Amino acid sequence: DGGITQSPKYLFRKEGQNVTLSCEQNLNHDAMYWYRQDPGQGLRLIYYSQIVNDFQKGDIAEGYSVSREKKESFPLTVTSAQKNPTAFYLCASSILSTGVGQPQHFGDGTRLSIL
Amino acid sequence: RKEVEQDPGPFNVPEGATVAFNCTYSNSASQSFFWYRQDCRKEPKLLMSVYSSGNEDGRFTAQLNRASQYISLLIRDSKLSDSATYLCVVNIPPQAGTALIFGKGTTLSVSS
Repeated sequence: DGGITQSPKYLFRKEGQNVTLSCEQNLNHDAMYWYRQDPGQGLRLIYYSQIVNDFQKGDIAEGYSVSREKKESFPLTVTSAQKNPTAFYLCASSILSTGVGQPQHFGDGTRLSIL
Repeated sequence: RKEVEQDPGPFNVPEGATVAFNCTYSNSASQSFFWYRQDCRKEPKLLMSVYSSGNEDGRFTAQLNRASQYISLLIRDSKLSDSATYLCVVNIPPQAGTALIFGKGTTLSVSS
């Protein structure tokens, strides 16, 4: 079955540590996205990528980094510079359209907490 | 003005009730509109796209009013399984295909 796989499901970070969240899709989608969701809040865009080896900052990119070396993979690193990393992280993908926006399909998320 | 605004609710309704959610968006150039459903501690899932002429999928009806920049979702004959948070989602041109803005959601609780 096609879909988006995020791992791990739960992650704990120590002070000063960088951690990497995995996101893999086999939907053959060009575009991939990372969002952060805090309790009672909407989704906020961290980074997105429309093509391999290219990515753009979203609204809250500070303290995060990404790479897009393969079409299928878009890992997110939460660096020690992100002082409030506790949140639900969601990866999404979509086909790319130069016309109207396309719906995005989500992985089942990673919950990150600080130890 | 927030880009996508929704009444957070919660909406508490009995089974079988009809319930309507509203959403307003600020960018008049937006072209794509969606409703997503998010269950507690789960990922959002696409419920339906919203088309200019309005569209229906079973018990769910979506309407778009471009002049008022207003989107609605109507759920008829509510089921217990409809309990969730419903997210209104709009694209932000000119980054079509990339930038979707998610509302904070409206929470629905259906009781027996």
